[in-house]
Order: sequence, then C-alpha cells, then structure tokens
Amino acid sequence: GIQVEQSPPDLILQEGANSTLRCNFSDSVNNLQWFHQNPWGQLINLFYIPSGTKQNGRLSATTVATERYSLLYISSSQTTDSGVYFCAVEGRAGSYQLTFGKGTKLSVIP
Amino acid sequence: GAGVSQTPSNKVTEKGKYVELRCDPISGHTALYWYRQSLGQGPEFLIYFQGTGAADDSGLPNDRFFAVRPEGSVSTLKIQRTERGDSAVYLCASSLAGELFFGEGSRLTVL
Repeated sequence: GIQVEQSPPDLILQEGANSTLRCNFSDSVNNLQWFHQNPWGQLINLFYIPSGTKQNGRLSATTVATERYSLLYISSSQTTDSGVYFCAVEGRAGSYQLTFGKGTKLSVIP
Repeated sequence: GAGVSQTPSNKVTEKGKYVELRCDPISGHTALYWYRQSLGQGPEFLIYFQGTGAADDSGLPNDRFFAVRPEGSVSTLKIQRTERGDSAVYLCASSLAGELFFGEGSRLTVL
C-alpha cells in the first residue's frame, strides 16, 4: 500500500516562531488531509488539500501532487498549537482508506 | 448533531468479554469510517460504510470484529471475545465529499 512519511518526528518551538512540517507519500493520491490531534486526543481537521495551496489564519498548506509531498506551515506559533500533526492520504482510486503517517509531535513553549 | 458523536468515551472490560462501541455521524453524511489508534501511532483503517453497506472491511483484524450500520446513520462496532491487544482508541469519522471529520473516540481497555 501507499507509504506516508512525516518529518520531523518531534519539534520544539519557542512561542512566536514559525515552522514547516513535511509529508512525503509514495504514490499518486486522490485525497490528502492534515489533522491536529490535541492533547485530549481529538483529531481536528486542518486542511483537505489533494493539490494546491490553502490558508487558514496562521496555518497554510501546499501539496505538490506531481512530486508527492505536502507541507504544513505554522506561523507565529502559540502554546495551543502543541500536539501531534498528522498527514493522511487516500491512495488507490476508490479505496476510500486514509493512510496516516506517524505524525509530527509539536511542543510550543512560552 | 454538530459533530461526530461516539459512546462510550471510555470502556474498561475483561478479557473474553463482548463490547459494542457506537458512532453517530454528522447528519447527512453518507460515508462512515472506523479507525483504531494505538499509543504513539497514527490511526489505522478498519472499515468503511457507504450508506448501509460495508463497502470495504479489509482493515478489520479478524473475525472477532464486526460493524453494522442498519439504517445508514448510526453505526456500531462489535468486538467479541476481547483480547488485551484490542486495547486502543477506536475512532469514528464521517464524510460527505471526501473530507473526513472524526469523533473524539472511544478508549477501550481490556484487562
């Protein structure tokens, strides 16, 4: 099946700093989503972005499907941004299965 | 409701017991998914429903696991003869047009 690799696995930021999280995938995708899992375990949708660029406040994401990667940008980080960020992709057309990466654990310190 | 609702939020059971986990999807969402997340890992796919039928159950680990969605809305994940290795957070998601929205999960602990 499709492979999803996220980097870095862990990231510690000072409050106010910017960061870029990366997601590489091994095959063409029909669906790509970024999620934030907060410390209470809730998976929160950030972006549905199989291609192109989207922005939502301090967050933005870019997926370059032809080169099989996606980037999540966090600007002016806040302590509430802490948690695990997951990239998830749907590979084979019509499979409807999202394959998750192992996540990037982000800690934002005051 | 406004979001995906899962009950119970926590379930502790003994090895060998039967467990049911319930998922109430976002109103109008035709697609429903079950995922399982172990500590320190990303969620793993279990089963996908489109309407009332299980369109893809290839992620169910063995025949002790079964899920139903009889009226195309609420779904129940059923686990027979639970084992300690079944301990995990069971996540439900629903979707209308490809974008998945997850519930808060049911944490299952098998003693």
